[in-house]
Amino acid sequence: NAGVTQTPKFQVLKTGQSMTLQCAQDMNHNSMYWYRQDPGMGLRLIYYSASEGTTDKGEVPNGYNVSRLNKREFSLRLESAAPSQTSVYFCASSIRTNQPQHFGDGTRLSIL
Amino acid sequence: GQQVMQIPQYQHVQEGEDFTTYCNSSTTLSNIQWYKQRPGGHPVFLIQLVKSGEVKKQKRLTFQFGEAKKNSSLHITATQTTDVGTYFCAGPGSGAGSYQLTFGKGTKLSVIP
Repeated sequence: NAGVTQTPKFQVLKTGQSMTLQCAQDMNHNSMYWYRQDPGMGLRLIYYSASEGTTDKGEVPNGYNVSRLNKREFSLRLESAAPSQTSVYFCASSIRTNQPQHFGDGTRLSIL
Repeated sequence: GQQVMQIPQYQHVQEGEDFTTYCNSSTTLSNIQWYKQRPGGHPVFLIQLVKSGEVKKQKRLTFQFGEAKKNSSLHITATQTTDVGTYFCAGPGSGAGSYQLTFGKGTKLSVIP
């Protein structure tokens, strides 16, 4: 039982490049989330999807887009990467909103 | 918007000493959740508290939810090196943010052997 799977685990980009972070869960959860974690800042919500077919902005959505591809998959796209987006990105899922979340292993992203 | 504050930000303890972290919300919470993140790892759900004044125990860990449902604490008795990590509390938002969990910034625990 894999839980929440994120790919890639590490990535280095140049400023201006684009990329998509992938996330998939196999727990039949309705809600999925994308967070970034920076030193001293805790976990900040970028976007979330309360249920299949819906997406909403979180605390720090600027510079990102998301797609809830189906119930299992929720991707995060950086259209034009900036050094300020260097961070660790976590995907999470929960049976429904406000319930305990299960996190993936994270993607460590560096933008030069 | 809702704020969730945790204190202390850092705590260094000698192995065998007790440890407590406190969580305070600016709004009343329907529930509060606690997570642990080991160094280099991802947050892992520990427990959820729902009722006013609720106390739950997991081995050496004791979790409390305040009577007013605006604060919570996590107490670890006789810390061990395996307790090292950052402990986060999280609570549902209010109003327009009610579908989101707001995480505190965490308390980073170091245990000196």
